[in-house]
Amino acid sequence: NAGVTQTPKFQVLKTGQSMTLQCAQDMNHEYMSWYRQDPGMGLRLIHYSVGAGITDQGEVPNGYNVSRSTTEDFPLRLLSAAPSQTSVYFCASSPADSEAFFGQGTRLTVV
Amino acid sequence: GQQLNQSPQSMFIQEGEDVSMNCTSSSIFNTWLWYKQDPGEGPVLLIALYKAGELTSNGRLTAQFGITRKDSFLNISASIPSDVGIYFCAGFPNAGNNRKLIWGLGTSLAVNP
Repeated sequence: NAGVTQTPKFQVLKTGQSMTLQCAQDMNHEYMSWYRQDPGMGLRLIHYSVGAGITDQGEVPNGYNVSRSTTEDFPLRLLSAAPSQTSVYFCASSPADSEAFFGQGTRLTVV
Repeated sequence: GQQLNQSPQSMFIQEGEDVSMNCTSSSIFNTWLWYKQDPGEGPVLLIALYKAGELTSNGRLTAQFGITRKDSFLNISASIPSDVGIYFCAGFPNAGNNRKLIWGLGTSLAVNP
């Protein structure tokens, strides 16, 4: 059971570089979300999607883009990385209005 | 954004002790979820609650959906070293955009063997 798969697991970027964090789920879930986790701040929602072709902003969307062309994939794009985006990023998927299943996370450092 | 009030923020206990943590909100929730996050991993669902008053167990863990629908608690009995981690509560509020999970800030648990 693959569940939610995130790649890469670790990444170091220079300020101003762009990159895409990949997320794929094999559970046919409608909902997918991206969170960032910083010490003492819990999980903060970046963007989410309630189905293919539909995305919406979460709590901290600035500096990030998403798209949802298929049910399975929900990539997160950093357009121009900044040190403030150093964080651990989690992708999650869920059936409609139900508990979320998380990937193992991507640890991103921006220098 | 909206956030759940989770307490305590951290706990340091002896192996074998019982643990209790809770989550409160100023508004009504339809669903309460409890997750555990091990170091270096993503959160994993422990217990899901869907009805006011519901009491659900998962091994040594017990969680309850408060009758007012504004709170929930999680108890861990006879703690063991592998209980170490961060415990998060989360839920779907009754009003507004209930497609977004609202999260507490977590309770960090340390267990002294």
